[in-house]
Amino acid sequence: EDQVTQSPEALRLQEGESSSLNCSYTVSGLRGLFWYRQDPGKGPEFLFTLYSAGEEKEKERLKATLTKKESFLHITAPKPEDSATYLCAVQGWEGGATNKLIFGTGTLLAVQP
Amino acid sequence: DAGVIQSPRHEVTEMGQEVTLRCKPISGHDYLFWYRQTMMRGLELLIYFNNNVPIDDSGMPEDRFSAKMPNASFSTLKIQPSEPRDSAVYFCASSLGIPTYEQYFGPGTRLTVT
Repeated sequence: EDQVTQSPEALRLQEGESSSLNCSYTVSGLRGLFWYRQDPGKGPEFLFTLYSAGEEKEKERLKATLTKKESFLHITAPKPEDSATYLCAVQGWEGGATNKLIFGTGTLLAVQP
Repeated sequence: DAGVIQSPRHEVTEMGQEVTLRCKPISGHDYLFWYRQTMMRGLELLIYFNNNVPIDDSGMPEDRFSAKMPNASFSTLKIQPSEPRDSAVYFCASSLGIPTYEQYFGPGTRLTVT
């Protein structure tokens, strides 16, 4: 069964203090790994898709990387506006093409000024 | 584009009542997804449609839940009768599918069943 585990559950950083969020996954053939950001009271907002081990993508202070077992979301010199819950999701093959996403429970990031 | 539109944004109802949640996907997207989010279980897929046809409803918790997509621009999720354990935030999302699979979420409907 496809599974996603995110750690830590919560992370508190000082402004400018870089860190990484982890997403470990088990999937029967990875079709794609997705990162989303969710602000309180809003729907998840798409950030990145990674398709194969070794792939990296960047957006402002965020960089996502992928290995065969896990993905990291690196946050460089974070600002208070980066505070949110970051969700990881995987899409596998499940015996055939599927568009189902399996989500982790997220990492709640708080960046203090 | 206005993004995925959901209504109502908040719904408070009494146990036993029928609840209908509505979703308008992004124009041109041919996949539509219904999710439920709770603190305990996180974000769970309930059902998804491709070109208005239900593809996978294995996440629908029980027969009290039903979903329809009568056309490409409208879908409903109905709960009848509602129970307090159905209280959650319900999200609708849409995607293009091939070649990219990222899903775009609506703002959600916060359902409270008393």
